[in-house]
Amino acid sequence: SAVISQKPSRDICQRGTSLTIQCQVDSQVTMMFWYRQQPGQSLTLIATANQGSEATYESGFVIDKFPISRPNLTFSTLTVSNMSPEDSSIYLCSVESRDRGAFFGQGTRLTVV
Amino acid sequence: SQKIEQNSEALNIQEGKTATLTCNYTNYSPAYLQWYRQDPGRGPVFLLLIRENEKEKRKERLKVTFDTTLKQSLFHITASQPADSATYLCALARSGTYKYIFGTGTRLKVLA
Repeated sequence: SAVISQKPSRDICQRGTSLTIQCQVDSQVTMMFWYRQQPGQSLTLIATANQGSEATYESGFVIDKFPISRPNLTFSTLTVSNMSPEDSSIYLCSVESRDRGAFFGQGTRLTVV
Repeated sequence: SQKIEQNSEALNIQEGKTATLTCNYTNYSPAYLQWYRQDPGRGPVFLLLIRENEKEKRKERLKVTFDTTLKQSLFHITASQPADSATYLCALARSGTYKYIFGTGTRLKVLA
């Protein structure tokens, strides 16, 4: 199993500012995934972060708004840029373990005021 | 468009009874389906995976069925306990991909 640490666990931010969320995994993984979970909604995949290449974004998500870094096989960051109240959500990173599903971090609860 | 539906209403059951949660999907052909548990303020925790060629999977008090004709999965918790109270999510994926589509989840409350 993988242990995933996310920081910060929560934050309250002013609109127009940016927040960078960190995700650290205790083992080397090829792909890391970033999800968003809006209040009362399901998890939605934002992008897949591969080490050594640009992240792959899902429909509706763009790099300018959610830039992602993946400097090595155990770490990734997601930045939520130029935030608005609509960005208030829980952001989760995850890694995949074949046949054992996905492992998730505890999430970052973001409130934009 | 692809759609996954889970009971949107919370499910309340008495301790000791069997809880049955439903996951229905449309416009999708998953290779496998997963169930997760999510507690408030925490990330989802993987419970079970079932493949398209499997009808049923069990793990301790948990049982999952997968009917690709009905496009439905049922998730059962037998001898339910108050500690089973949580939100349960189903997630689908196609073969060769780790891109999951998640349902909105069903909140289960087991009453003592």
